[in-house]
Amino acid sequence: DTGVSQDPRHKITKRGQNVTFRCDPISEHNRLYWYRQTLGQGPEFLTYFQNEAQLEKSRLLSDRFSAERPKGSFSTLEIQRTEQGDSAMYLCASSESLAGWGQETQYFGPGTRLLVL
Amino acid sequence: AQKVTQAQTEISVVEKEDVTLDCVYETRDTTYYLFWYKQPPSGELVFLIRRNSFDEQNEISGRYSWNFQKSTSSFNFTITASQVVDSAVYFCALSEVGGATNKLIFGTGTLLAVQP
Repeated sequence: DTGVSQDPRHKITKRGQNVTFRCDPISEHNRLYWYRQTLGQGPEFLTYFQNEAQLEKSRLLSDRFSAERPKGSFSTLEIQRTEQGDSAMYLCASSESLAGWGQETQYFGPGTRLLVL
Repeated sequence: AQKVTQAQTEISVVEKEDVTLDCVYETRDTTYYLFWYKQPPSGELVFLIRRNSFDEQNEISGRYSWNFQKSTSSFNFTITASQVVDSAVYFCALSEVGGATNKLIFGTGTLLAVQP
Protein backbone atom coordinates (compact mmCIF):
# COMPACT_ATOMS: atom_id res chain seq x y z
CA ASP A 1 0.00 0.00 0.00
CA THR A 2 1.85 3.06 -1.25
CA GLY A 3 1.19 6.52 0.05
CA VAL A 4 1.19 9.86 -1.71
CA SER A 5 4.41 10.47 -3.60
CA GLN A 6 5.86 13.74 -4.85
CA ASP A 7 8.67 14.49 -7.24
CA PRO A 8 11.14 16.08 -6.99
CA ARG A 9 11.75 16.25 -3.27
CA HIS A 10 13.98 19.29 -3.63
CA LYS A 11 14.30 21.92 -6.33
CA ILE A 12 16.68 24.86 -6.55
CA THR A 13 16.04 27.30 -9.36
CA LYS A 14 16.94 30.81 -10.39
CA ARG A 15 14.45 33.64 -10.32
CA GLY A 16 12.49 33.81 -13.54
CA GLN A 17 12.71 30.12 -14.37
CA ASN A 18 9.70 27.81 -14.64
CA VAL A 19 9.34 24.76 -12.41
CA THR A 20 6.93 21.84 -12.40
CA PHE A 21 6.14 19.48 -9.54
CA ARG A 22 4.36 16.16 -9.71
CA CYS A 23 2.08 14.44 -7.23
CA ASP A 24 0.90 10.83 -7.38
CA PRO A 25 -2.02 10.29 -5.00
CA ILE A 26 -3.04 7.08 -3.28
CA SER A 27 -4.52 5.04 -6.12
CA GLU A 28 -8.16 4.84 -5.03
CA HIS A 29 -8.36 8.49 -3.94
CA ASN A 30 -10.40 10.77 -6.18
CA ARG A 31 -9.68 14.02 -4.34
CA LEU A 32 -6.36 15.81 -4.54
CA TYR A 33 -5.17 18.96 -2.79
CA TRP A 34 -2.14 21.21 -3.09
CA TYR A 35 -0.90 23.23 -0.12
CA ARG A 36 2.04 25.56 0.40
CA GLN A 37 4.00 25.77 3.62
CA THR A 38 6.50 28.51 4.43
CA LEU A 39 8.97 28.41 7.29
CA GLY A 40 7.35 28.49 10.69
CA GLN A 41 3.82 28.39 9.31
CA GLY A 42 1.17 25.78 8.81
CA PRO A 43 0.25 24.60 5.33
CA GLU A 44 -2.04 26.89 3.33
CA PHE A 45 -4.53 25.63 0.79
CA LEU A 46 -3.77 26.31 -2.87
CA THR A 47 -6.13 24.25 -4.99
CA TYR A 48 -8.38 21.19 -5.08
CA PHE A 49 -9.31 18.57 -7.67
CA GLN A 50 -12.14 16.09 -7.64
CA ASN A 51 -11.16 13.55 -10.27
CA GLU A 52 -9.90 15.69 -13.18
CA ALA A 53 -11.95 18.79 -12.33
CA GLN A 54 -10.26 21.68 -10.56
CA LEU A 55 -13.04 22.86 -8.27
CA GLU A 56 -11.38 25.53 -6.17
CA LYS A 57 -8.37 27.80 -6.32
CA SER A 58 -7.10 29.93 -3.48
CA ARG A 59 -6.35 33.61 -3.93
CA LEU A 60 -2.77 32.57 -3.10
CA LEU A 61 -2.62 30.93 -6.50
CA SER A 62 -1.52 33.80 -8.71
CA ASP A 63 -1.66 33.74 -12.51
CA ARG A 64 1.86 32.34 -12.53
CA PHE A 65 0.61 29.13 -10.94
CA SER A 66 -1.26 26.45 -12.81
CA ALA A 67 -2.29 22.98 -11.76
CA GLU A 68 -3.64 20.08 -13.74
CA ARG A 69 -4.87 16.60 -13.07
CA PRO A 70 -5.31 14.87 -16.42
CA LYS A 71 -7.42 11.72 -16.30
CA GLY A 72 -7.95 12.18 -12.60
CA SER A 73 -4.74 10.44 -11.63
CA PHE A 74 -1.47 12.28 -10.99
CA SER A 75 -1.35 16.05 -10.74
CA THR A 76 1.20 18.67 -11.71
CA LEU A 77 1.76 22.12 -10.27
CA GLU A 78 3.66 24.57 -12.46
CA ILE A 79 5.08 27.89 -11.38
CA GLN A 80 6.09 30.23 -14.18
CA ARG A 81 8.62 33.04 -13.81
CA THR A 82 9.50 32.04 -10.27
CA GLU A 83 10.09 34.71 -7.64
CA GLN A 84 12.03 34.46 -4.38
CA GLY A 85 8.72 34.64 -2.52
CA ASP A 86 7.76 31.32 -4.08
CA SER A 87 10.35 29.55 -1.95
CA ALA A 88 8.39 27.15 0.22
CA MET A 89 7.44 23.51 0.72
CA TYR A 90 4.70 22.42 -1.69
CA LEU A 91 2.59 19.64 -0.22
CA CYS A 92 0.15 17.38 -1.99
CA ALA A 93 -2.61 15.47 -0.22
CA SER A 94 -5.22 13.00 -1.38
CA SER A 95 -8.42 11.64 0.06
CA GLU A 96 -11.29 9.37 -0.79
CA SER A 97 -14.76 10.87 -0.91
CA LEU A 98 -17.02 9.16 1.59
CA ALA A 99 -20.72 9.31 2.25
CA GLY A 100 -21.36 12.47 4.19
CA TRP A 101 -19.45 15.58 3.33
CA GLY A 102 -16.37 16.18 5.38
CA GLN A 103 -15.82 12.67 6.62
CA GLU A 104 -12.60 12.25 4.75
CA THR A 105 -9.02 12.28 5.91
CA GLN A 106 -6.34 13.88 3.79
CA TYR A 107 -3.07 11.97 3.53
CA PHE A 108 -0.03 14.00 2.67
CA GLY A 109 3.01 13.35 0.55
CA PRO A 110 6.59 14.19 1.58
CA GLY A 111 6.47 17.55 -0.17
CA THR A 112 8.68 19.35 -2.67
CA ARG A 113 10.96 21.93 -1.14
CA LEU A 114 11.54 24.81 -3.56
CA LEU A 115 14.31 27.36 -3.22
CA VAL A 116 14.34 30.28 -5.64
CA LEU A 117 17.68 32.09 -5.80
CA ALA B 1 -14.07 33.07 9.24
CA GLN B 2 -12.46 29.83 10.28
CA LYS B 3 -9.27 30.05 12.28
CA VAL B 4 -7.01 27.73 14.28
CA THR B 5 -4.72 29.05 17.00
CA GLN B 6 -1.82 27.15 18.49
CA ALA B 7 -0.44 29.61 21.00
CA GLN B 8 2.52 27.45 22.02
CA THR B 9 5.27 28.00 19.48
CA GLU B 10 7.82 25.70 21.11
CA ILE B 11 7.75 23.28 24.01
CA SER B 12 10.75 21.49 25.44
CA VAL B 13 10.37 18.56 27.82
CA VAL B 14 12.55 15.82 29.19
CA GLU B 15 11.85 12.25 28.17
CA LYS B 16 9.04 10.57 30.15
CA GLU B 17 7.34 13.84 30.99
CA ASP B 18 3.72 14.34 29.96
CA VAL B 19 3.05 17.25 27.62
CA THR B 20 -0.15 18.91 26.38
CA LEU B 21 -0.38 20.80 23.10
CA ASP B 22 -3.15 23.36 22.95
CA CYS B 23 -5.46 24.08 20.02
CA VAL B 24 -8.25 26.64 19.91
CA TYR B 25 -10.44 27.05 16.86
CA GLU B 26 -13.03 29.45 15.50
CA THR B 27 -15.84 28.55 13.12
CA ARG B 28 -19.41 29.55 12.41
CA ASP B 29 -20.27 26.06 11.18
CA THR B 30 -22.19 23.69 13.39
CA THR B 31 -20.69 20.71 11.60
CA TYR B 32 -16.94 20.56 11.27
CA TYR B 33 -13.98 18.26 11.68
CA LEU B 34 -10.81 18.72 13.66
CA PHE B 35 -7.49 17.03 12.99
CA TRP B 36 -4.02 16.66 14.43
CA TYR B 37 -1.03 16.00 12.20
CA LYS B 38 2.62 15.37 13.11
CA GLN B 39 5.44 16.75 10.96
CA PRO B 40 8.82 15.18 11.77
CA PRO B 41 12.03 16.72 10.43
CA SER B 42 11.62 14.75 7.19
CA GLY B 43 8.72 17.07 6.36
CA GLU B 44 5.87 14.66 5.68
CA LEU B 45 2.63 15.39 7.53
CA VAL B 46 1.45 12.29 9.37
CA PHE B 47 -2.23 11.99 10.22
CA LEU B 48 -2.93 11.34 13.91
CA ILE B 49 -6.64 11.83 14.53
CA ARG B 50 -9.92 13.15 13.10
CA ARG B 51 -12.80 14.22 15.32
CA ASN B 52 -16.23 15.49 14.24
CA SER B 53 -18.04 18.29 16.01
CA PHE B 54 -20.79 16.03 17.33
CA ASP B 55 -18.48 13.67 19.15
CA GLU B 56 -17.07 15.19 22.31
CA GLN B 57 -15.80 11.95 23.76
CA ASN B 58 -12.15 12.01 24.65
CA GLU B 59 -10.01 9.56 22.74
CA ILE B 60 -6.94 7.63 23.78
CA SER B 61 -4.55 5.83 21.49
CA GLY B 62 -1.56 4.39 23.27
CA ARG B 63 0.41 7.29 24.76
CA TYR B 64 -1.71 9.83 22.87
CA SER B 65 -4.97 11.31 24.09
CA TRP B 66 -7.20 14.09 22.85
CA ASN B 67 -9.58 16.32 24.79
CA PHE B 68 -12.32 18.00 22.71
CA GLN B 69 -14.34 20.68 24.48
CA LYS B 70 -16.91 22.41 22.29
CA SER B 71 -17.78 24.88 25.05
CA THR B 72 -14.28 26.36 24.91
CA SER B 73 -13.63 25.57 21.22
CA SER B 74 -10.56 23.60 22.14
CA PHE B 75 -9.08 20.33 20.92
CA ASN B 76 -6.00 19.64 23.02
CA PHE B 77 -3.51 16.84 22.51
CA THR B 78 -1.61 15.13 25.33
CA ILE B 79 1.39 12.85 24.99
CA THR B 80 2.00 10.72 28.06
CA ALA B 81 5.52 9.61 28.94
CA SER B 82 7.07 11.47 26.02
CA GLN B 83 9.88 9.91 24.01
CA VAL B 84 12.61 11.41 21.86
CA VAL B 85 10.81 10.07 18.76
CA ASP B 86 7.90 12.36 19.59
CA SER B 87 10.05 15.36 18.67
CA ALA B 88 8.31 17.06 15.75
CA VAL B 89 6.05 19.93 14.81
CA TYR B 90 2.41 19.20 15.59
CA PHE B 91 -0.39 20.87 13.67
CA CYS B 92 -4.02 21.21 14.58
CA ALA B 93 -6.40 21.71 11.64
CA LEU B 94 -10.05 22.47 10.97
CA SER B 95 -12.02 21.23 7.99
CA GLU B 96 -14.78 23.29 6.48
CA VAL B 97 -17.91 21.32 5.74
CA GLY B 98 -20.56 22.34 3.26
CA GLY B 99 -18.35 24.46 1.07
CA ALA B 100 -16.92 23.47 -2.26
CA THR B 101 -14.05 21.57 -0.70
CA ASN B 102 -12.86 19.98 2.49
CA LYS B 103 -9.76 22.12 2.58
CA LEU B 104 -7.91 22.12 5.86
CA ILE B 105 -7.17 25.27 7.81
CA PHE B 106 -4.05 24.77 9.86
CA GLY B 107 -2.68 26.44 12.93
CA THR B 108 0.91 27.62 12.97
CA GLY B 109 2.10 24.48 14.72
CA THR B 110 3.87 23.67 17.97
CA LEU B 111 7.45 22.48 17.88
CA LEU B 112 7.92 19.78 20.50
CA ALA B 113 11.46 18.94 21.53
CA VAL B 114 11.87 15.93 23.77
CA GLN B 115 15.29 15.81 25.40
CA PRO B 116 16.81 12.48 26.46
